[in-house]
Amino acid sequence: QKEVEQDPGPLSVPEGAIVSLNCTYSNSAFQYFMWYRQYSRKGPELLMYTYSSGNKEDGRFTAQVDKSSKYISLFIRDSQPSDSATYLCAMSDMTTDSWGKFQFGAGTQVVVTP
Amino acid sequence: SQTIHQWPATLVQPVGSPLSLECTVEGTSNPNLYWYRQAAGRGLQLLFYSVGIGQISSEVPQNLSASRPQDRQFILSSKKLLLSDSGFYLCAWRAGGRAETQYFGPGTRLLVL
Repeated sequence: QKEVEQDPGPLSVPEGAIVSLNCTYSNSAFQYFMWYRQYSRKGPELLMYTYSSGNKEDGRFTAQVDKSSKYISLFIRDSQPSDSATYLCAMSDMTTDSWGKFQFGAGTQVVVTP
Repeated sequence: SQTIHQWPATLVQPVGSPLSLECTVEGTSNPNLYWYRQAAGRGLQLLFYSVGIGQISSEVPQNLSASRPQDRQFILSSKKLLLSDSGFYLCAWRAGGRAETQYFGPGTRLLVL
């Protein structure tokens, strides 16, 4: 079983819809959770970072962490064609032995159609 | 501000040839540095990480090696490439201490024929 599970998609939505992405994980020690956006043939760029449980909002993006269920989500409101990309979740427990070693999901491909 | 560079952007190499990919970071000192490989349709596989000059940790056994000759330079090498080495290679950096996030470079696309 992978430590981080993420549906690869593709997830196709019409412009203006809400995009809902999620990852599940098995390591209860994970405390730091990130979402990256990766356009085709580009390096991933950091979108959202969350520590422990709760919600975080940044413009059209909302990240949620539910540690009790080992489940994280990313919501994109008012989706635009420019949001078409692969979204990767990442997480870390930041213990002494693992500082900076993140576990990544496989990524979900999102297609927003005009 | 910090920036991270990788070169070359694209590389086509024959099986059995050597490899050298370079990554440099600007605007920070003593970063943690990482090499990842991303195969088509798959997630990121951590290959090497470094917490300082000359300090390299390997995550997976393979025919690749890494070196860190300078504080902000990270090099990925191979003496003889295999077909299975094809992929998208990403370098990333993280500020030292307990900084929680990694930032990625633009990547190098390697095709081994």
